[in-house]
Amino acid sequence: AQKVTQAQTEISVVEKEDVTLDCVYETRDTTYYLFWYKQPPSGELVFLIRRNSFDEQNEISGRYSWNFQKSTSSFNFTITASQVVDSAVYFCALLSNTGNQFYFGTGTSLTVIP
Amino acid sequence: EPEVTQTPSHQVTQMGQEVILRCVPISNHLYFYWYRQILGQKVEFLVSFYNNEISEKSEIFDDQFSVERPDGSNFTLKIRSTKLEDSAMYFCASILEASEAQYFGPGTRLLVL
Repeated sequence: AQKVTQAQTEISVVEKEDVTLDCVYETRDTTYYLFWYKQPPSGELVFLIRRNSFDEQNEISGRYSWNFQKSTSSFNFTITASQVVDSAVYFCALLSNTGNQFYFGTGTSLTVIP
Repeated sequence: EPEVTQTPSHQVTQMGQEVILRCVPISNHLYFYWYRQILGQKVEFLVSFYNNEISEKSEIFDDQFSVERPDGSNFTLKIRSTKLEDSAMYFCASILEASEAQYFGPGTRLLVL
């Protein structure tokens, strides 16, 4: 079975602090894809990153970085020097190579306090 | 940059009424999806559509739901007889190839009274 767990339901940080959002996944597939999406208060889903199971290289994009560790089935997301505009719900999602639907985590609501 | 569009942005309907939610996927995409998000909850898969037929559907997607690609550009979700629990945000998504990131539309917020 496919499952994504985001244990942190809500996080509040003060602007300029770093924050890490946790994501743990379960799958029996050897090939799969992991994603992060941002959902701002306006409601749309904004794609942030896609990672396939064979690529464990960490990625950095500006203030965002992702740490993929297959050994612990985790795909954590760090925002460095957080800003108020980062306030949103962040969803981690899993896409199996054998299926064609996303399995979303329950989301982490991030509030950045000015 | 091409994007997925959805209409209407908001819809209010009476219980038992039929609603049609419309989506225009990105033009060269081949795979289409509907997802639902009840307020404050996670995004849930409803159905995927490829080559003019449903390729996968979830338990939520019962006989009250149907999808159609009537004219090669629109992708619609119909709920035949709405229930209170159908109130949610409905997202359409599309991709060019399987396993690529799904591009989501802005959503239609459906409220059933």
